[in-house]
Amino acid sequence: GENVEQHPSTLSVQEGDSAVIKCTYSDSASNYFPWYKQELGKGPQLIIDIRSNVGEKKDQRIAVTLNKTAKHFSLHITETQPEDSAVYFCAAPSVEWGGSYIPTFGRGTSLIVHP
Amino acid sequence: KAGVTQTPRYLIKTRGQQVTLSCSPISGHRSVSWYQQTPGQGLQFLFEYFSETQRNKGNFPGRFSGRQFSNSRSEMNVSTLELGDSALYLCASSHGQGNSPLHFGNGTRLTVT
Repeated sequence: GENVEQHPSTLSVQEGDSAVIKCTYSDSASNYFPWYKQELGKGPQLIIDIRSNVGEKKDQRIAVTLNKTAKHFSLHITETQPEDSAVYFCAAPSVEWGGSYIPTFGRGTSLIVHP
Repeated sequence: KAGVTQTPRYLIKTRGQQVTLSCSPISGHRSVSWYQQTPGQGLQFLFEYFSETQRNKGNFPGRFSGRQFSNSRSEMNVSTLELGDSALYLCASSHGQGNSPLHFGNGTRLTVT
């Protein structure tokens, strides 16, 4: 099955700085890589995703880059704000059975943005 | 469009009891997946239902079971509760075709005493 490693486990930055979270995966057949943000008391929410036919995708202050050769993908948040403080999870598909997509999640990165 | 709804939000049970959790997916979504989230193990996949059939299953004991109804709503049942079952149980829905994104509910926090 898929193995997803996520680093760092904790990231502390000052407001306005950039934050980068990196994930590596093991299954070279994986072709879809979402990122989720989980705020306290809530479930994970999809914030951005990338498919293997592109190397980078941006959405305002958030971007994701993918290196299929090295089997890693990263989340970049620029101009961080206190409301970006949350736990971020990456994921990669481990099984596709009958058309389903079962992601394996990284262990999460707790991002703390200090005002 | 309404999001994924999970009930109840909180549950406190004692060892040996059983519990049923409920999940209403986003309208039009036919796939419902269940995850267990704990600080030690992270997000672990329990099972996925698609059109009332269990399509995939994670590595959890048979005490964990689920079902899906014709309106795509799903329930998860845990029998003979153990202290280690204390966790946040998350439900996620999707279209269930290929790599469609998961949409999570806010979870049910289960505490077993």
